[in-house]
Amino acid sequence: SYVLTQPPSVSVAPGKTARITCGGNNIGSKSVHWYQQKPGQAPVLVIYYDSDRPSGIPERFSGSNSGNTATLTISRVGAGDEADYYCQVWDSSSDHPWVFGGGTKLTVL
Amino acid sequence: EVQLVESGGGLVQPGGSLRLSCAASGFTFRSYAMSWVRLAPGKGLEWVSGISGSAGTTYYADSVKGRFTISRDSSKNTLYLQMNSLRAEDTAVYYCAAKQPDSSAPFDYWGQGTLVTVSS
Repeated sequence: SYVLTQPPSVSVAPGKTARITCGGNNIGSKSVHWYQQKPGQAPVLVIYYDSDRPSGIPERFSGSNSGNTATLTISRVGAGDEADYYCQVWDSSSDHPWVFGGGTKLTVL
Repeated sequence: EVQLVESGGGLVQPGGSLRLSCAASGFTFRSYAMSWVRLAPGKGLEWVSGISGSAGTTYYADSVKGRFTISRDSSKNTLYLQMNSLRAEDTAVYYCAAKQPDSSAPFDYWGQGTLVTVSS
């Protein structure tokens, strides 16, 4: 089955840019979605189809996807961005096709 | 306003059964594919099971195949997850999530989750 690899943690100072990666075999050929989850809350979609933003998500959130790595970029990071972030793809070759990455804890220093 | 409200979680002994429900409102339920996703303590999100809008196709993660059954009732706008032969490793918050029919579409809407604890 398809595997998505994320770093367990990323730390960034307030006001700086955070980059969270999601690695997978030829992930650039798939559509990647990103979710933000804060403790005790449901996940929230922040980026879909690699780089689109749902309404209500700040422009500070952006995404890219190429080769074997997809990246979620959060600029001008603030304390409110501290959360777990998950990438997700659909693997058409599998009978259990929806796959999440292991998640990345973003810490704002 | 879109709402997904899960219920049915609780404490159950290993080997026991539980049925989760997810009541949907604010969108055309029958047009959306639905899934259950869980978050175990100290772990990441894990997709558990999915069902097409027509209920014609179901999908299961290897970890629950043969033990869990997903279903939906469009007349009641409700999604279900029948969980049998529960194990300690099934302990998690279970979320229902809705997505557009396109298989590669994201999970647009999420419920707040219901906690399942499997313990003696």
